[in-house]
Amino acid sequence: DAMVIQNPRYQVTQFGKPVTLSCSQTLNHNVMYWYQQKSSQAPKLLFHYYDKDFNNEADTPDNFQSRRPNTSFCFLDIRSPGLGDAAMYLCATSRDYEGSGEQFFGPGTRLTVL
Amino acid sequence: AQSVTQLGSHVSVSEGALVLLRCNYSSSVPPYLFWYVQYPNQGLQLLLKYTSAATLVKGINGFEAEFKKSETSFHLTKPSAHMSDAAEYFCAVSYGGSQGNLIFGKGTKLSVKP
Repeated sequence: DAMVIQNPRYQVTQFGKPVTLSCSQTLNHNVMYWYQQKSSQAPKLLFHYYDKDFNNEADTPDNFQSRRPNTSFCFLDIRSPGLGDAAMYLCATSRDYEGSGEQFFGPGTRLTVL
Repeated sequence: AQSVTQLGSHVSVSEGALVLLRCNYSSSVPPYLFWYVQYPNQGLQLLLKYTSAATLVKGINGFEAEFKKSETSFHLTKPSAHMSDAAEYFCAVSYGGSQGNLIFGKGTKLSVKP
């Protein structure tokens, strides 16, 4: 089945220690998104890629970076995690900008910062 | 700015009772509309979507939603709640194109009592 895969599902890191979250997709979609979701809140868009074009949301902290080496993979790097970065991180894809904009979500990675 | 309002952050129903989760959007231009469900520690799963075809949309797990342009609403209903419906539900809108990012409501947590 075509899908969006996130690894790991649970990640524990220490305050200030860089961490990388991974997302891969078998849907061959052009657009890949990263969201941050804190407890009992809606997902908040951090950035997205259209193919190799990176689009950062204005209020995304510089501490968050992303890489998309190819169509299938996208990474979220948190350079110096703080306690406030503990959250669920969701990866999503969509076929294109055209059409309804339906997004397909992965299962998420829950990040704990000690 | 466009916004989505979900009335009621927490809704509780008895098993077998009607489920009604409310969603209103703020735009004179009909958007694409989505309902997503999120189970604990999971990603978002698409329940149903409105893309300007039929105004009554049927989704998975017995849910349906009706698009009412005059009321700028897209309420989610299910005739008979099941224990497995307990989850968080997010309404989202998109306007397609390069600005087609999803705009989420704050979510409604549904509890189902035996």
